[in-house]
Amino acid sequence: NAGVTQTPKFRVLKTGQSMTLLCAQDMNHEYMYWYRQDPGMGLRLIHYSVGEGTTAKGEVPDGYNVSRLKKQNFLLGLESAAPSQTSVYFCASSYELAGTLNQETQYFGPGTRLLVL
Amino acid sequence: AQSVAQPEDQVNVAEGNPLTVKCTYSVSGNPYLFWYVQYPNRGLQFLLKYITGDNLVKGSYGFEAEFNKSQTSFHLKKPSALVSDSALYFCAVRALSGGYNKLIFGAGTRLAVHP
Repeated sequence: NAGVTQTPKFRVLKTGQSMTLLCAQDMNHEYMYWYRQDPGMGLRLIHYSVGEGTTAKGEVPDGYNVSRLKKQNFLLGLESAAPSQTSVYFCASSYELAGTLNQETQYFGPGTRLLVL
Repeated sequence: AQSVAQPEDQVNVAEGNPLTVKCTYSVSGNPYLFWYVQYPNRGLQFLLKYITGDNLVKGSYGFEAEFNKSQTSFHLKKPSALVSDSALYFCAVRALSGGYNKLIFGAGTRLAVHP
């Protein structure tokens, strides 16, 4: 049981390049999330998904796109990277308390450090 | 507006002394509160949560947190700090937005425990 894994661990991009960050979870969780962590700002939600085939915008969605084609995977895409997207990206997942639409504790991946030059 | 505040950027404690990391929140309805810890170059790890019931919640690694509704606080505590407790601590509150509940995180407090 690997929990939540993220690929890659570290990446350097030039402005304008594109890339996809992959998140995978093996806990059969319905909910998945992408956050970015910046110094002094805590974690901010980029996008989230409440189930396979569904995605929704979080607090800071601009410049990012996501897809959830399979329940276990949640992809975060940067179509045209900008220096402002230099950050550490965390994926998380959680399951739904039965019949409540309330998610339980979130489990986090180890993070992807992205540097955009 | 729904929010979480961690008023201290850093807390310094001597090993063996009690520690407190402060958190206050603003949320409509009953609060669901969480504490997470982040060690260097790692993801966040769940420590404890308050949903309902006893105001004193016990969690992992000897940590506990006290929910105070009148002061809208959820301070993290430990009776005797260890050097290995040095890490970044995040308080979070669950908030309803867009029909679903999501976590709102505080900015984090760095705990430094000195030998």
